[in-house]
Amino acid sequence: EIVMTQSPATLSVSPGERATLSCRASQSVSSNLAWYQQKPGQAPRLLIYGASTRATGIPARFSGSGSGTEFTLTISSLQSEDFAVYYCQQYNNWPPGFTFGPGTKVDIK
Amino acid sequence: EVQLVESGGGLVQPGGSLRLSCAASGFTFSSYSMNWVRQAPGKGLEWVSYISSSSSTIYYADSVKGRFTISRDNAKNSLYLQMNSLRDEDTAVYYCARVVVVPAAIPNYYYYGMDVWGQGTTVTVSS
Repeated sequence: EIVMTQSPATLSVSPGERATLSCRASQSVSSNLAWYQQKPGQAPRLLIYGASTRATGIPARFSGSGSGTEFTLTISSLQSEDFAVYYCQQYNNWPPGFTFGPGTKVDIK
Repeated sequence: EVQLVESGGGLVQPGGSLRLSCAASGFTFSSYSMNWVRQAPGKGLEWVSYISSSSSTIYYADSVKGRFTISRDNAKNSLYLQMNSLRDEDTAVYYCARVVVVPAAIPNYYYYGMDVWGQGTTVTVSS
């Protein structure tokens, strides 16, 4: 079973600043890594898939990088609407399934 | 508008059963694999189950295997989750999500994500 970890658990950032979120897999997932944003009371929203490809309609300030076991989500200049919880998710061929990380909460400094 | 709408949640006693539904609209439902994902109160996201577009491939998380059954009716644009032998720890908001499968540069390798989500339906297991 692949275990996903995310750091930090909470990230305090001022609007306009850069935010860097980390995700680590317990074994290689190649580039089969997605990132989601979730705001309170809302469903998650897909930001990034394939480790670095932005989903439709996602602003360019969101970027993903990494492969294997180490991944990063970068928000280049935080806007007020970006304060939320961010989850990484991997897909594994065997055993088949999806695994989410525990999340990183980005809040206002 | 592409939309997923869950229903069927509610309060059920431990050991009881519940059937969740997810109605899809605005896209060709029969062309997409689907997932159920849940979120316990104040906790993170947990994948529950996957079904391919033709129902030929089905996967479950270990936590629900043998108790939950995923199914779909492409003629009705609907996804279902039959939940039996419910436990306190099954209490959560249950989301249905459309699976996006994108070919990678590597032959026969694909990237998976969930690009459309419903608003969720709440299941509470309590005596």
